[in-house]
Amino acid sequence: AQTIHQWPVAEIKAVGSPLSLGCTIKGKSSPNLYWYWQATGGTLQQLFYSITVGQVESVVQLNLSASRPKDDQFILSTEKLLLSHSGFYLCAWSLTGGYAEQFFGPGTRLTVL
Amino acid sequence: GNSVTQMQGQVTLSEEEFLFINCTYSTTGYPTLFWYVQYPGEGPQLLLKVTTANNKGSSRGFEATYDKGTTSFHLQKASVQESDSAVYYCVLGGRDTNAYKVIFGKGTHLHVLP
Repeated sequence: AQTIHQWPVAEIKAVGSPLSLGCTIKGKSSPNLYWYWQATGGTLQQLFYSITVGQVESVVQLNLSASRPKDDQFILSTEKLLLSHSGFYLCAWSLTGGYAEQFFGPGTRLTVL
Repeated sequence: GNSVTQMQGQVTLSEEEFLFINCTYSTTGYPTLFWYVQYPGEGPQLLLKVTTANNKGSSRGFEATYDKGTTSFHLQKASVQESDSAVYYCVLGGRDTNAYKVIFGKGTHLHVLP
């Protein structure tokens, strides 16, 4: 069975500090990977997607970057956090493109003060 | 461009009442459409999926029918339960050159009173 793990579960960070969030998928080879951001009470905004190791496409610019260093790992990061980065970050995977079901991780709650 | 519209931000019903959540979309061609459900503190999970091949999806008592003429994909359930309380998202799947870009609607928060 496939499992998706996100770390950390929650973070409280200061404005201007760096950030790194991680996501690991086990039990699935070469998945498509996605990062989403959700403001409190808001909808999901797709940030990045990756269909293979080393290749990441940006969907929306929010002063964030993403990398896929391994087949089963997806990293979201920034050098300087903004207040507007607060929210819920979700990682997801799918077998194929946008017409396939996406499986979401448990998410990371980020609070920027 | 592609878009999804959910006008109802919140719906409050009593148990056993009928649920209807409106969703319309804009895209070219024949899309794949989803309804996802999100419970507090969790990631969304697929409720049902519809393609032009089947036009209708159902799961756990929920139904959605894809209507290309009205570009609608409404969600219905004949009799809701308190456990159905959650946020429901209408989602437009990517295709062609945007195959990996997925668009979520604003979401409809369903409160079911016991």
